[in-house]
Amino acid sequence: DAKTTQPNSMESNEEEPVHLPCNHSTISGTDYIHWYRQLPSQGPEYVIHGLTSNVNNRMASLAIAEDRKSSTLILHRATLRDAAVYYCILRDRGSGNTPLVFGKGTRLSVIA
Amino acid sequence: DADVTQTPRNRITKTGKRIMLECSQTKGHDRMYWYRQDPGLGLRLIYYSFDVKDINKGEISDGYSVSRQAQAKFSLSLESAIPNQTALYFCATSDHGTGDEQYFGPGTRLTVT
Repeated sequence: DAKTTQPNSMESNEEEPVHLPCNHSTISGTDYIHWYRQLPSQGPEYVIHGLTSNVNNRMASLAIAEDRKSSTLILHRATLRDAAVYYCILRDRGSGNTPLVFGKGTRLSVIA
Repeated sequence: DADVTQTPRNRITKTGKRIMLECSQTKGHDRMYWYRQDPGLGLRLIYYSFDVKDINKGEISDGYSVSRQAQAKFSLSLESAIPNQTALYFCATSDHGTGDEQYFGPGTRLTVT
């Protein structure tokens, strides 16, 4: 799977939007962009995924650059509960669905 | 009830002991995974199984073995535990037919002294 690059940490104020960036300059045409997050003392949980078009769900939005070499996870109004490590992962659907490969992610702190 | 359960949740064992971590799921998924997480690091894949008769090594399988006893059960064994296997262990499941989103258990904290 192609590699992703994320900032080690970010900070946000409560109730403000948060934009978490991810660079994946070597992404291939069959790579989906997945985001998971890990709350303190819990296992990771799925947030969102996309291929080319921007995606929205109840948790977040995913904005994908036109060239697909970068993407941004958007939390529209950060809450204290959103403090977690966020992982951006590429997944090649063309290779038989290989398991997720986690990097170190971005640790998001939310300030009240 | 949780969809993915892990037992035990915490375990302290001595060097050289054999230990088994168990994972059960009620989601009806065909795929199961074992990861370990060390402090400040992301998760690393140990083993995975795409169905009952399928076992695959991950990036750090040395010192570990697994058994897929049934579609719903996937156990991880440390044949002779060593201190650097002290970590947080996560089981996960997914269903290839519905997007393959992975669902994680709550984790097992293992300490080898």
